[in-house]
Amino acid sequence: GQNIDQPTEMTATEGAIVQINCTYQTSGFNGLFWYQQHAGEAPTFLSYNVLDGLEEKGRFSSFLSRSKGYSYLLLKELQMKDSASYLCAVLDSNYQLIWGAGTKLIIKP
Amino acid sequence: TAGITQAPTSQILAAGRSMTLRCTQDMRHNAMYWYRQDLGLGLRLIHYSNTAGTTGKGEVPDGYSVSRANTDDFPLTLASAVPSQTSVYFCASSDSTSGGAETQYFGPGTRLLVL
Repeated sequence: GQNIDQPTEMTATEGAIVQINCTYQTSGFNGLFWYQQHAGEAPTFLSYNVLDGLEEKGRFSSFLSRSKGYSYLLLKELQMKDSASYLCAVLDSNYQLIWGAGTKLIIKP
Repeated sequence: TAGITQAPTSQILAAGRSMTLRCTQDMRHNAMYWYRQDLGLGLRLIHYSNTAGTTGKGEVPDGYSVSRANTDDFPLTLASAVPSQTSVYFCASSDSTSGGAETQYFGPGTRLLVL
């Protein structure tokens, strides 16, 4: 079967750095997405990785290792507005997105 | 632009009744999707449409039907609602013109409670 694993919840301090991990086992791989979802709102796109390595976009970076079936999202200089759920999703061989359950990130002052 | 709109925002529905959730996008995206999101689970694909006039089944299609008469609209119908269909429903679209690895953009969601 297909499986995406992420921690259910994480807590971090304002101004700090946090790394949210995602491991996957899917039938084929055509890229990995990270989305942010604030409570009661729609998911919004953060990043897309299809090749191994680190993609940096402002305070957010995303890393991919296809051989390990592993990705992480790195958030720097945390702000209170970063409190949200972060969803990992893999595009499988049929070009359908398989979603993880999401990681709820709690930022404390 | 409005992007993707969904209606209604929320609804309470008696079991056994039918309902259509509406979704409209103004980005001229060829592909559209319906997901449900339940606590503790990832988004699950109900139905999708790669282009107007075609539809396909996702992971959890039972009890739901869709149509894609034109590019902009992708309604989701529950023919006879059951309590297990209580969920938040998201419509999404993408411009998947070359293989499908395009970003999906989501509507604001419809919160449905079936009693």
